[in-house]
Amino acid sequence: RKEVEQDPGPFNVPEGATVAFNCTYSNSASQSFFWYRQDCRKEPKLLMSVYSSGNEDGRFTAQLNRASQYISLLIRDSKLSDSATYLCVVTLDRAGTALIFGKGTTLSVSS
Amino acid sequence: DGGITQSPKYLFRKEGQNVTLSCEQNLNHDAMYWYRQDPGQGLRLIYYSQIVNDFQKGDIAEGYSVSREKKESFPLTVTSAQKNPTAFYLCASRTNDRITGELFFGEGSRLTVL
Repeated sequence: RKEVEQDPGPFNVPEGATVAFNCTYSNSASQSFFWYRQDCRKEPKLLMSVYSSGNEDGRFTAQLNRASQYISLLIRDSKLSDSATYLCVVTLDRAGTALIFGKGTTLSVSS
Repeated sequence: DGGITQSPKYLFRKEGQNVTLSCEQNLNHDAMYWYRQDPGQGLRLIYYSQIVNDFQKGDIAEGYSVSREKKESFPLTVTSAQKNPTAFYLCASRTNDRITGELFFGEGSRLTVL
């Protein structure tokens, strides 16, 4: 089983749509969880951290389910500028040393 | 202002040559990382370092080497033993909080082996 798995998509949605991505992780000792955004041929940038109680940042909501070992990202009212690849990141171990990336989910928002 | 600088941005080399990619940060971060990204793929961890003079192998360390002689610097050498070196290489550093600390990336180095 791969350490971090994401549905690669692509997700093609119209402007204004709500879209959700899931990411599963295999190591129950993982402590930290993040969503990064990567634009084509650019470096990844932090979108948001994922906290145990769930957290929201404007149109973006992140959730963590430790029992089922997955995290999710919900994007409401999608904008054209949301088109990108969304990467799930999980710490490899309890000490939080190495960070492991999923392969990413591609989102394309059209007008 | 603070950040991570990778150089060169683009690099072409002949097969069989060793190549060293530079990564410098002035964020005062202890941890630094090297990732490789192939087209349509996610980032794969090559090496990481939590502290000066110490580093650990990631998932795909074979054919690569690193050093961490200074806190600010974490160069990556792509050796001739790396079978498929053409890729996008990303260096990152991380804030010292191992639970909430985020990764900050450089702009990457694109290596093409001819």
